[in-house]
Amino acid sequence: EVQLVESGGGLVQPGGSLRVSCAASGFTFSSYWMSWVRQAPGKGLEWVANIKEDGSAKHYVDSVKGRFTISRDNGKNSLHLQMNSLRAEDTALYYCARSLSGYANWFDPWGQGTLVTVSS
Amino acid sequence: EIVLTQSPATLSLSPGERAALSCRASQTISTYLAWYQQKRGQAPRLLIYDASTRATGIPARFSGGGSGTDFTLTISSLEPEDFAVYYCQQRYNWPLTFGGGTKVEIK
Repeated sequence: EVQLVESGGGLVQPGGSLRVSCAASGFTFSSYWMSWVRQAPGKGLEWVANIKEDGSAKHYVDSVKGRFTISRDNGKNSLHLQMNSLRAEDTALYYCARSLSGYANWFDPWGQGTLVTVSS
Repeated sequence: EIVLTQSPATLSLSPGERAALSCRASQTISTYLAWYQQKRGQAPRLLIYDASTRATGIPARFSGGGSGTDFTLTISSLEPEDFAVYYCQQRYNWPLTFGGGTKVEIK
């Protein structure tokens, strides 16, 4: 069974940093693009970043470029999102999502998310 | 950035009725569109990709159509478990974007 389990969320002050992670199991992690998608409380979905199977390509939404870094460790089946210079508008539930087999940018499945709250 | 506009924002229907949800793109995206379902307190689930291909395990009552800028998700006969929020998403170009969602609620 494919499983994605996020961790690392929490309360952080504006300007602070946080690293969230996603532990993957049940599939060959190194064969899939992986993504982070976030959802602010009571709002819709926003794609944040994704990374190619071997980590050689990464893409970001403009609002996080220069502040967030996506990375992966294929030896440990894990995905990470390093978030720096956090702002109140980054407050959201952060989902880890695998790409659909053979399709880099459809998301299937998703983890249950980890909540990041940016507040003083 | 490609903007996806979903309508209506809320659809009030009864079980057994047909639901038609719309997603309109700000520029042509061929058939690079997907639909997701999100139930309260749960992660989204992929329903349809490439505009009309059902994902694994998705019931046949869900169907997708359209190309270019106008797309539709149809639920032929609503089951109680179908009342949820539905999002469209494009992968035609960067950044990947989602629509604002349509909530299908029980009338």
